[in-house]
Amino acid sequence: QQQVKQSPQSLIVQKGGISIINCAYENTAFDYFPWYQQFPGKGPALLIAIRPDVSEKKEGRFTISFNKSAKQFSLHIMDSQPGDSATYFCAASSWGSTDKLIFGTGTRLQVFP
Amino acid sequence: NAGVTQTPKFQVLKTGQSMTLQCAQDMNHNSMYWYRQDPGMGLRLIYYSASEGTTDKGEVPNGYNVSRLNKREFSLRLESAAPSQTSVYFCASSDAGAPNTEAFFGQGTRLTVV
Repeated sequence: QQQVKQSPQSLIVQKGGISIINCAYENTAFDYFPWYQQFPGKGPALLIAIRPDVSEKKEGRFTISFNKSAKQFSLHIMDSQPGDSATYFCAASSWGSTDKLIFGTGTRLQVFP
Repeated sequence: NAGVTQTPKFQVLKTGQSMTLQCAQDMNHNSMYWYRQDPGMGLRLIYYSASEGTTDKGEVPNGYNVSRLNKREFSLRLESAAPSQTSVYFCASSDAGAPNTEAFFGQGTRLTVV
């Protein structure tokens, strides 16, 4: 069962553009929503995360938007750069469940100059 | 800081062979995890260990066994490898003592079963 659904599977953006990746979840017990970034040949690394008590979190060019009622959250990358080209995973977990992270299927982002 | 170290980085096995993937972390984390990554499937949890001496099944445990040797080390064993186990395997660790903390991943082991 896919508890966290992610789209699109791949995304091509021009340098300076906005990249948007969307995720939807089913389990209302989830209360932690991180995004991980993975470069080729490397393991995923935490990029930014949000708790459901806020609707938006911004760190530099990266913003998470969270809609609790719709059970959706998204990653926005402003002023996308070629160095942002990577695979992005959304994830979710619930406190008290031994911190197991459930990942989305991933989005391969390519930013062209 | 080494973080999470996995060995080997690459491995080719014949169907039916066995092998153990090793993982060690130096961050004093309680929780450790094994994931597999397949195209279009994301990262799927195989097994996890919330603390030394405990292990639990994840989403896709069939065909695998694990051992939490001590707080630092968590190994994944394939007893009789099958082509369906061709994948990239990631070990991760996190501090279970704090809520919703970051999971740190190793560099991965690319396994091919022929």
